[in-house]
Amino acid sequence: DSGVTQTPKHLITATGQRVTLRCSPRSGDLSVYWYQQSLDQGLQFLIQYYNGEERAKGNILERFSAQQFPDLHSELNLSSLELGDSALYFCASSVDDGTGIYGYTFGSGTRLTVV
Amino acid sequence: KNQVEQSPQSLIILEGKNCTLQCNYTVSPFSNLRWYKQDTGRGPVSLTIMTFSENTKSNGRYTATLDADTKQSSLHITASQLSDSASYICVVSAFTGGFKTIFGAGTRLFVKA
Repeated sequence: DSGVTQTPKHLITATGQRVTLRCSPRSGDLSVYWYQQSLDQGLQFLIQYYNGEERAKGNILERFSAQQFPDLHSELNLSSLELGDSALYFCASSVDDGTGIYGYTFGSGTRLTVV
Repeated sequence: KNQVEQSPQSLIILEGKNCTLQCNYTVSPFSNLRWYKQDTGRGPVSLTIMTFSENTKSNGRYTATLDADTKQSSLHITASQLSDSASYICVVSAFTGGFKTIFGAGTRLFVKA
């Protein structure tokens, strides 16, 4: 157990629907990062929050949004889902605001399947 | 353009053999470099973290090297085990008015009995 909790582990939904993925960071970590990993592809950075505020944005689609709550957990909302959104979505956390010097701790991911 | 390139893309070795994975980067200005191991369907797990002043760092059978002048890093795995079969990802961070982290595409290692 890495200390980063992601729910649900698996999600199957239809095209056009909306889903919410949840992430609880490791205790003491203030940054949360979201990544998308399609089949046999590398990790694609989506967005980072630090202590409740958006800190960095990657290749996140307009149909996707995220937020970090006062208790530091984060949610990634995916709407108007398309078949191509099927992927593993990872959340990672770190104690710093993005330096990476202490590394990231990753959760076990949410596998999203859009049918 | 900030990039991280890893080679080879995939590698098959026999159990007990050694191997070396490469990471070349153009990320600047360099802050730190990390190697992660990702088992299939699982989240990446950190192996090593190196800053500019560090040349070598070990974690058990894993040894990472860094040459900040040539912007190259390598991950050497000694006496490979079947459980080493995984993707190995090189991650480089730079400070460009804010921290930017670039992930390599990874090297997929298969260790066979």
